[in-house]
Amino acid sequence: ETGVTQSPTHLIKTRGQQVTLRCSSQSGHNTVSWYQQALGQGPQFIFQYYREEENGRGNFPPRFSGLQFPNYSSELNVNALELDDSALYLCASSLAHRETQYFGPGTRLLVL
Amino acid sequence: GQQLNQSPQSMFIQEGEDVSMNCTSSSIFNTWLWYKQDPGEGPVLLIALYKAGELTSNGRLTAQFGITRKDSFLNISASIPSDVGIYFCAGMNYGGSQGNLIFGKGTKLSVKP
Repeated sequence: ETGVTQSPTHLIKTRGQQVTLRCSSQSGHNTVSWYQQALGQGPQFIFQYYREEENGRGNFPPRFSGLQFPNYSSELNVNALELDDSALYLCASSLAHRETQYFGPGTRLLVL
Repeated sequence: GQQLNQSPQSMFIQEGEDVSMNCTSSSIFNTWLWYKQDPGEGPVLLIALYKAGELTSNGRLTAQFGITRKDSFLNISASIPSDVGIYFCAGMNYGGSQGNLIFGKGTKLSVKP
């Protein structure tokens, strides 16, 4: 059974650019949640996708957007990147929207 | 954003020692989860707790879901060098239709010099 995978592993962008991060959920899981983890902090919830619909959102601006595809993989898009967007972005999948979440290895984003 | 109070922030362990850490919240949770994160990696699930008062073990790890549903603790018995890392507690609410996790700031376990 393949676990949660994320791509790319690392990314460097400049302020104002746009970025797309990708996540493949664990086999059989229909829910994907995205988190931002700043250095030295716990992960912060960005949003969740359940059956291709956004199913809840944390305290993040609209320039953070996402998609979930029919195979339940997901994308996180961030527009107009700011220096503070530098962080580890984690994707987690679960059997359903209230079930235990399993995390991928993350994408490390650096904004210069 | 909202975070749980996790303590201690850091601790040093010597091989063979027992370790305790806990997590408290001002809000009630339906589920408590404990994760371990190594540098540059994603969090790995250690133990999931679904019922108030529940005590669950996973090898040398034992965790409990507090009766008030506002706290949880994790114990590691007879620590070994590979226990080093950052441990996070996370609570899940079923508010509305979503099930997002709220995390503590982590407890960093290091080897005693």
